[in-house]
Amino acid sequence: RKEVEQDPGPFNVPEGATVAFNCTYSNSASQSFFWYRQDCRKEPKLLMSVYSSGNEDGRFTAQLNRASQYISLLIRDSKLSDSATYLCAVPSGDGNKLVFGAGTILRVKS
Amino acid sequence: GAVVSQHPSRVICKSGTSVKIECRSLDFQATTMFWYRQFPKQSLMLMATSNEGSKATYEQGVEKDKFLINHASLTLSTLTVTSAHPEDSSFYICSSQGLAGGGSYNEQFFGPGTRLTVL
Repeated sequence: RKEVEQDPGPFNVPEGATVAFNCTYSNSASQSFFWYRQDCRKEPKLLMSVYSSGNEDGRFTAQLNRASQYISLLIRDSKLSDSATYLCAVPSGDGNKLVFGAGTILRVKS
Repeated sequence: GAVVSQHPSRVICKSGTSVKIECRSLDFQATTMFWYRQFPKQSLMLMATSNEGSKATYEQGVEKDKFLINHASLTLSTLTVTSAHPEDSSFYICSSQGLAGGGSYNEQFFGPGTRLTVL
């Protein structure tokens, strides 16, 4: 099993839709989780950090399911500007680095 | 989040040239910096972990003599691609990790990246 796995998508959704994607991880001891957003030809930008059961920031909600070892990202009322690749990241087993998933592509269309 | 700068943003060079990329954490002291490479439409690939005052730790398959990393201060790490070849053309991104702005130790903040094209 890969350390971090994501559905590559793409997820094509209309404006205003709610969309969710999951990220599964193998290290059951992980205590922190991160969602990054990466636009085409740009660097990843931290979107949300998750340390307990979840986190919410405006239209974005991240939820952690420790039993099934996945984190999800929910985006409500999608905007065209939400179109990007969403990367999840989990600390490595030794905690010295982050392991990134390959990313999920989201395309929001009018 | 923390502010990380990277310079240059874009480099076009001839094969055989060495290219140095600088990564600076502008508003906090980064004990650890990371260097990633990303090919078009592919995921981030960690190349090495750079620790201030000590040797970098390279990921498996990354040649340490080709990708020289120096982390001489808490705010600056450099990556030198020695004798670059066309297959080294990629997007190189650094990130800083540290207690920036009260964030978690594990949080990483990325520089804007350097797009290297080797002719």
